[in-house]
Amino acid sequence: DAGITQSPRYKITETGRQVTLMCHQTWSHSYMFWYRQDLGHGLRLIYYSAAADITDKGEVPDGYVVSRSKTENFPLTLESATRSQTSVYFCASRLHPRTGELFFGEGSRLTVL
Amino acid sequence: DQQVKQNSPSLSVQEGRISILNCDYTNSMFDYFLWYKKYPAEGPTFLISISSIKDKNEDGRFTVFLNKSAKHLSLHIVPSQPGDSAVYFCAASGGGSQGNLIFGKGTKLSVKP
Repeated sequence: DAGITQSPRYKITETGRQVTLMCHQTWSHSYMFWYRQDLGHGLRLIYYSAAADITDKGEVPDGYVVSRSKTENFPLTLESATRSQTSVYFCASRLHPRTGELFFGEGSRLTVL
Repeated sequence: DQQVKQNSPSLSVQEGRISILNCDYTNSMFDYFLWYKKYPAEGPTFLISISSIKDKNEDGRFTVFLNKSAKHLSLHIVPSQPGDSAVYFCAASGGGSQGNLIFGKGTKLSVKP
């Protein structure tokens, strides 16, 4: 299916475990992003990527790792999950860096116990 | 230091009336602004955008106004419908944001029948 898909949609894990959230887009957009949504904070940027093998930190990168070996995939890894990383995570992509919309996935709800 | 502010966490409007959602920004280098709508358990969806070279953009029931001197934009929904009940996010791009959007914290709109 065309679009941007995230997996898993729901995940429960324990403190200290490694978790990877997957993101796949079919448009060949150069720009991809990971945001987290928390009550009272709106959407905050974790990491972004301008192209394959080019990634950079956003507003809240601590505790997260990303990679982008292929244009269409942008996985987000929590190397050692903490309770403060309980959140809803959204992946997004964009064709142009300055205009046009970001297209969002449906989100991955992560609970860290 | 919030660059995009939505000072009203919630707004309640009667069906058929106008809904006005407000957004302020601090970075004068922002040159592209967007509004997103978000339903529970779904990703944000693009609603309408405006470039800084314009002061108004209209799409059906939705109109966005931009006042650059006041660093203020607003979204007008006329007439409001119960299906418009959602969280609305204001976002800005440009100013060295590297293609990502800077989001406000959102305003929850409730349209009562």
